Amino acid sequence: TQTVSQSDAHVTVFEGDSVELRCNYSYGGSIYLSWYIQHHGHGLQFLLKYYSGNPVVQGVNGFEAEFSKSDSSFHLRKASVHWSDSAVYFCAVSHNTNTGKLTFGDGTVLTVKP
Amino acid sequence: EAAVTQSPRNKVTVTGGNVTLSCRQTNSHNYMYWYRQDTGHGLRLIHYSYGAGNLQIGDVPDGYKATRTTQEDFFLLLELASPSQTSLYFCASSRQFLSYEQYFGPGTRLTVL
Repeated sequence: TQTVSQSDAHVTVFEGDSVELRCNYSYGGSIYLSWYIQHHGHGLQFLLKYYSGNPVVQGVNGFEAEFSKSDSSFHLRKASVHWSDSAVYFCAVSHNTNTGKLTFGDGTVLTVKP
Repeated sequence: EAAVTQSPRNKVTVTGGNVTLSCRQTNSHNYMYWYRQDTGHGLRLIHYSYGAGNLQIGDVPDGYKATRTTQEDFFLLLELASPSQTSLYFCASSRQFLSYEQYFGPGTRLTVL
């Protein structure tokens, strides 16, 4: 059974700050890791994914994430946040893209204050 | 131009009522999914489909049926709705070998009184 843990339910920062949203997973085999963003009142939008290669992957709007096998982590970062980055962020894991099944974490609410 | 649409956007029914949630995608994707989102649980997969006429059971299927009539249309059926099914429901679609990248609809808020 694969699990995804997002340890911070809420993160609050000020505009221009850097932010890191944490994601840890438990699964023994090869996996695909991804991040999604959900603005209030909307569905989820894909941000980025990692499967292999360079452990740092770039996404849209200045987001990047870093994979660490030793820590079983896939943390999302942004160097300078904007108020429009306020949203809920979900980490997701898939071990087989042919089945289509994603396991989502419970989400982290990011609030960016002006 | 939205690629995944859901209807209705809001629905209120009573316990024991019959509800159908509709989803249409214009992405030409093979895979479609139904999720429910509840506070503290993230998204949980109810049913999904690999194509017209196909149905796969997700992680929380009890009390739900689904039907995929065409490549574009995927329906979620609650035949005897219960208050525990009050939730926010999302439909999504993806390509077959890129299922980590799913495209979501705007959601349907269902309240069962």
